[in-house]
Amino acid sequence: QVQLQESGPGLVKPSQTLSLTCNVSGGSVSSGGYYWSWIRQHPEKGLEWIGYIFYTGNTHYNPSLKSRVSISVDTSNNRFSLDLRPVTAADTAVYYCARFAGVHATDYWGPGTLVTVSS
Amino acid sequence: DIQMTQSPSTLSASVGDRVTITCRASQNIYSWLAWYQQKPGKAPKLLIYKASSLESGVPSRFSGSGSGTEFTLTISSLQPDDFATYYCQQYNNYHTFGQGTKLEIK
Repeated sequence: QVQLQESGPGLVKPSQTLSLTCNVSGGSVSSGGYYWSWIRQHPEKGLEWIGYIFYTGNTHYNPSLKSRVSISVDTSNNRFSLDLRPVTAADTAVYYCARFAGVHATDYWGPGTLVTVSS
Repeated sequence: DIQMTQSPSTLSASVGDRVTITCRASQNIYSWLAWYQQKPGKAPKLLIYKASSLESGVPSRFSGSGSGTEFTLTISSLQPDDFATYYCQQYNNYHTFGQGTKLEIK
């Protein structure tokens, strides 16, 4: 059973960088056929796809966030990360990491972590 | 960008009812559509992938249909555990979610 767990600061100041890590257990980020994703949900709102990465480092980003987003993968430690800069209050959201399994859609999700952008 | 429009935004129903949620894509997404269920404070849970394939472990009262630009999620007989918010997601060209349908108890 694949499990994902987000970690990182719950509070980030405006104009700074939001950095989150997703630790994967029960499976390998180096497995072919899977893309490792970040998705967010603004308070009381819907879901927004941020982007994903393949174990080779190949990335795809939401065009609306592309200029501020970077996703990286650490195969040695079986984890992947999200950087978003610079942040504003509009980036306050629950951030989820997840596994995109191609035809099988996004089949495993972390529990999510709330990040608040505030001074 | 592909836009996904769900209807209705809110649906009131009773246990035992048959309910249908619709999702429309702004362009052809073939069958690259998934449905998720989300409960308060929890991550979304995959129900249906590739428009009509039932995820392992999901009750058979859930079904999906459609292709191209029009898709539906049907729950054949609502159970108390089904009251939640449902999202569609296209994964033909990047990923886009619908705005969600909140299924409430009547």
